[in-house]
Amino acid sequence: AQKVTQAQTEISVVEKEDVTLDCVYETRDTTYYLFWYKQPPSGELVFLIRRNSFDEQNEISGRYSWNFQKSTSSFNFTITASQVVDSAVYFCALRGGNTPLVFGKGTRLSVIA
Amino acid sequence: NAGVMQNPRHLVRRRGQEARLRCSPMKGHSHVYWYRQLPEEGLKFMVYLQKENIIDESGMPKERFSAEFPKEGPSILRIQQVVRGDSAAYFCASSRNTGTASSDEQYFGPGTRLTVT
Repeated sequence: AQKVTQAQTEISVVEKEDVTLDCVYETRDTTYYLFWYKQPPSGELVFLIRRNSFDEQNEISGRYSWNFQKSTSSFNFTITASQVVDSAVYFCALRGGNTPLVFGKGTRLSVIA
Repeated sequence: NAGVMQNPRHLVRRRGQEARLRCSPMKGHSHVYWYRQLPEEGLKFMVYLQKENIIDESGMPKERFSAEFPKEGPSILRIQQVVRGDSAAYFCASSRNTGTASSDEQYFGPGTRLTVT
């Protein structure tokens, strides 16, 4: 069975601080894909990144960076110099083989001005 | 290039009524997925459809819930005799292709928020 665990339910930081959101996954598939989505207060789901299991290179996009470590089955997400607009619920998700997306329960990030 | 469309965005039903949620996939996409998000929870898969076929309904409750994706028109998620526990956000996603190509991205609609009173 596939599983995604986001142990941090809620995080609060002060603006300009860096923050890391943890994601640990379980799968028996050798080929799989990991995702992060952002859900702002308006409720829609915003795609942030997709990473396949064969590519362990870390990725940076502006203030966002992702650290994929297969050895620890983790796919952590860091926001550098956080801003109030980053306040949202962030979901990590996994898809492998011919299976639907499996989501973690999400981490609610509050960035305080 | 319109994204995934869902309507209505908000739906209020009384207990016992029927709820119909619609999803129009992105242009060129023939695969549709429905997910449910209960309050303070992550999204949970319900059903995966292609045109005129249900591919995987392992996440659908056995009773009262049904889904279709006809040859023409949007995909419909139907909930009969709604109960308070059905109150949730229902998200639809579409993809171009899938099968063994698990890289095919799912693009999500804005969701329908169902409230059962």
